[in-house]
Amino acid sequence: EDQVTQSPEALRLQEGESSSLNCSYTVSGLRGLFWYRQDPGKGPEFLFTLYSAGEEKEKERLKATLTKKESFLHITAPKPEDSATYLCAVGGGYGGSQGNLIFGKGTKLSVKP
Amino acid sequence: DTGVSQNPRHKITKRGQNVTFRCDPISEHNRLYWYRQTLGQGPEFLTYFQNEAQLEKSRLLSDRFSAERPKGSFSTLEIQRTEQGDSAMYLCASSLVGTGTGEQFFGPGTRLTVL
Repeated sequence: EDQVTQSPEALRLQEGESSSLNCSYTVSGLRGLFWYRQDPGKGPEFLFTLYSAGEEKEKERLKATLTKKESFLHITAPKPEDSATYLCAVGGGYGGSQGNLIFGKGTKLSVKP
Repeated sequence: DTGVSQNPRHKITKRGQNVTFRCDPISEHNRLYWYRQTLGQGPEFLTYFQNEAQLEKSRLLSDRFSAERPKGSFSTLEIQRTEQGDSAMYLCASSLVGTGTGEQFFGPGTRLTVL
């Protein structure tokens, strides 16, 4: 069964203190690894898609990387406005089609000034 | 704003009542998805449409749940005879497959509270 596990569940950082969030996955055939940001009471906001091991993508202070078994979301010199829950998901579906996303439980990031 | 919109944003109902939610996807997107999210969990897939065809349904989608996407535009999700366990955030997402990159973009959600 396809599964996504994120760690840690919660992470508290001081402003400027860099760190990484982990997403490990087991899936029969990877159809994309997706990172989203979710603020309280809102829908997830798309950040990145990664398709193959070794791929990296960056956006401002965020950098996502992918291996065959896990993905990391690196946060460099975070600011309080980076505080949110970060969700990782893999593409599911059958017959090669990208249907539903299978999400992890998320990592709740708090950045203190 | 041309993002995904959902209405209503909040719904409070009594157990046993029927409720209906609406989702308007990004206009050029051909796929529309429904997810449910409870506190502390990631979104869980319910069903998805490609144009007007419902292609996949999760085991989570009991007989009390029905979704439609007439004419391949907006979609509705109806829950009949609501139960307290139905209390959750219901999220809609849309994507463009075929000519697009397939990323799913989410709406703000409808928060359902069943008393």
